[in-house]
Amino acid sequence: QKEVEQDPGPLSVPEGAIVSLNCTYSNSAFQYFMWYRQYSRKGPELLMYTYSSGNKEDGRFTAQVDKSSKYISLFIRDSQPSDSATYLCAGTKTSYDKVIFGPGTSLSVIP
Amino acid sequence: NAGVTQTPKFQVLKTGQSMTLQCAQDMNHEYMSWYRQDPGMGLRLIHYSVGAGITDQGEVPNGYNVSRSTTEDFPLRLLSAAPSQTSVYFCASSYVGQGIKGSTGELFFGEGSRLTVL
Repeated sequence: QKEVEQDPGPLSVPEGAIVSLNCTYSNSAFQYFMWYRQYSRKGPELLMYTYSSGNKEDGRFTAQVDKSSKYISLFIRDSQPSDSATYLCAGTKTSYDKVIFGPGTSLSVIP
Repeated sequence: NAGVTQTPKFQVLKTGQSMTLQCAQDMNHEYMSWYRQDPGMGLRLIHYSVGAGITDQGEVPNGYNVSRSTTEDFPLRLLSAAPSQTSVYFCASSYVGQGIKGSTGELFFGEGSRLTVL
C-alpha cells in the first residue's frame, strides 16, 4: 500500500465549476504537504505547499490539511480549461527528507 | 537558467543492457532524487540524496544504482535493463534547510527521460 493515496479519476468538469481533489496518507510523521500540477509530457511543478494542519489560499486555489484524519484536499474555484492537468499530492517528514507522491488525479475542464 | 537537465530525453534498450541516465542541476541544491512515473502509479521514488556522498533508497530501488560525487550531478544507473523498467524517469532537486521560510522543500523537476526496454 502506498503511503499516499488519491483517486486517479479521470475527473471532468465544466468551466467555472468548483473542483475538489482529495488524498489520504498513512505516515503520521508527515509534516509538509504539497500539491503539484503536471501538464502532459512535462515535469510536475509545485502548486501549493502547506505545513502541518490548516488551510492555505493562493488565488483560485485552496489547500487543506487535516492531520487528525490524514486527509489532504485541494479546491479550485472558477476552474479554467488551462487547469486541465494531472494533480499530484505529496507528503514528507521534513524539508530535507524523501517526498512521497500519490498516484495523481487527471482533471479535464471543459469549455 | 537551465534548472534541472536530464539526458537523454529518449532511449531504447534491449533486455540486459546497462545505461546511465544523467541529471544535472545548476541551482546549488543539496537534495536530489530520481522518480519513475508509470500509468496509474504516479511518481515512485527510486533513490534520493541529501548531499554529496550521501544516498538513500526510495520506494522502488531494485535494479538501479546511484552515486553523488558532486552537488550538481546525480546519475541513475540501470544495471541490467528489464522490460519492467520501461517508464518515464524524472530527476528532481530542492533546497535543503530548516523551517519553512526560504525552504519550501519545493522540488524542481527535469523534463523527463522516456526509456523503453525491449
